[in-house]
Amino acid sequence: AQSVTQLGSHVSVSEGALVLLRCNYSSSVPPYLFWYVQYPNQGLQLLLKYTSAATLVKGINGFEAEFKKSETSFHLTKPSAHMSDAAEYFCAVSDQYGNKLVFGAGTILRVKS
Amino acid sequence: EAGVTQFPSHSVIEKGQTVTLRCDPISGHDNLYWYRRVMGKEIKFLLHFVKESKQDESGMPNNRFLAERTGGTYSTLKVQPAELEDSGVYFCASSQGSQGTRSPLHFGNGTRLTVT
Repeated sequence: AQSVTQLGSHVSVSEGALVLLRCNYSSSVPPYLFWYVQYPNQGLQLLLKYTSAATLVKGINGFEAEFKKSETSFHLTKPSAHMSDAAEYFCAVSDQYGNKLVFGAGTILRVKS
Repeated sequence: EAGVTQFPSHSVIEKGQTVTLRCDPISGHDNLYWYRRVMGKEIKFLLHFVKESKQDESGMPNNRFLAERTGGTYSTLKVQPAELEDSGVYFCASSQGSQGTRSPLHFGNGTRLTVT
């Protein structure tokens, strides 16, 4: 069985500061890992995904995530937060044959001016 | 291209009533998924259609939930009779191809269901 743990249900950063959202996963098979973002009153949008190629994955809007097998982590980072980054972020896992995603509980990012 | 469309966007019903949620996937997407987020909890998988066939319905909570996908196009999710614990946001997503989650999922804006 697969699972995802997102550390911190709420994260607050100042505009221009580093964004770090934490995600740890559990999987008995090589995982596919994803970060999704949900802006208010919208659906989930794919930010980036890891599918066993490069361990450092670049996504949209300046976000990136690094797959660390030894730490079973897939943390999401952005060097400089922008007000428009305020949203809820979800980490998710699936196996390479799977047809469903297992989501973490989500992290709400607040960006202060 | 038009995105995944869900309606209604909000629904408030009383316990014991019936509600039907609809999802129109992106045209040409064979895969259609239903997910649900109960307040404050994780987004959980409900089921997966490939065209008109149910590929995986392991996440359906109980037999009060019925999903259909007529002709492999739009899908409906009916809850009958609704219970208080069915309240939450129901998301639909679609993807193309046969690569499962390796293909990006496109999500709709969700239907917020409130059962009173």
